[in-house]
Amino acid sequence: QKEVEQNSGPLSVPEGAIASLNCTYSDRGSQSFFWYRQYSGKSPELIMFIYSNGDKEDGRFTAQLNKASQYVSLLIRDSQPSDSATYLCAVNSGNTPLVFGKGTRLSVIA
Amino acid sequence: KAGVTQTPRYLIKTRGQQVTLSCSPISGHRSVSWYQQTPGQGLQFLFEYFSETQRNKGNFPGRFSGRQFSNSRSEMNVSTLELGDSALYLCASSVQGLEETQYFGPGTRLLVL
Repeated sequence: QKEVEQNSGPLSVPEGAIASLNCTYSDRGSQSFFWYRQYSGKSPELIMFIYSNGDKEDGRFTAQLNKASQYVSLLIRDSQPSDSATYLCAVNSGNTPLVFGKGTRLSVIA
Repeated sequence: KAGVTQTPRYLIKTRGQQVTLSCSPISGHRSVSWYQQTPGQGLQFLFEYFSETQRNKGNFPGRFSGRQFSNSRSEMNVSTLELGDSALYLCASSVQGLEETQYFGPGTRLLVL
């Protein structure tokens, strides 16, 4: 059974701080890693994807992947109240269904 | 380019009834997947269709079925509704399949009474 684990939170950070969201996965054959943001009552929205070990930056967001440790993280710099949402980590292994974690709820306090 | 659209957005049914949900993918996307999201179980994969064929199936009972039309639009059907089927049903599309980034529609919120 492929599993993706996330701390459910809530993770509370002050405005302007760095939010660090973490995710571990069980399938060593996993190839693609995605971070989705989901506002309450809305559908998931893709933030970033990463395929290779290391860091990938996009604006205020940085995804970090460590395949040896089966660990992927998302850093949000200069956190804003509008970043308050649930962040879903998703993993797949080629042409197989995405396996989602249950999400981490982030609250950015103004 | 228009995003993934789903209809209806909200639905209330009673136990034992059946329901059909519709999804129109992003233009040019041929792969359509369906997911169920509940507070307890999170997002779970139902099935994927590509070129009118079901390619992948999740671990859901046979009451959950789907189909895809030649224009890539997809429908999912749930028969003999149970209270536990109350959930947000999400459709996602991609150009070729599950190995690509999935783009989600707004979802259909189903409440079974």
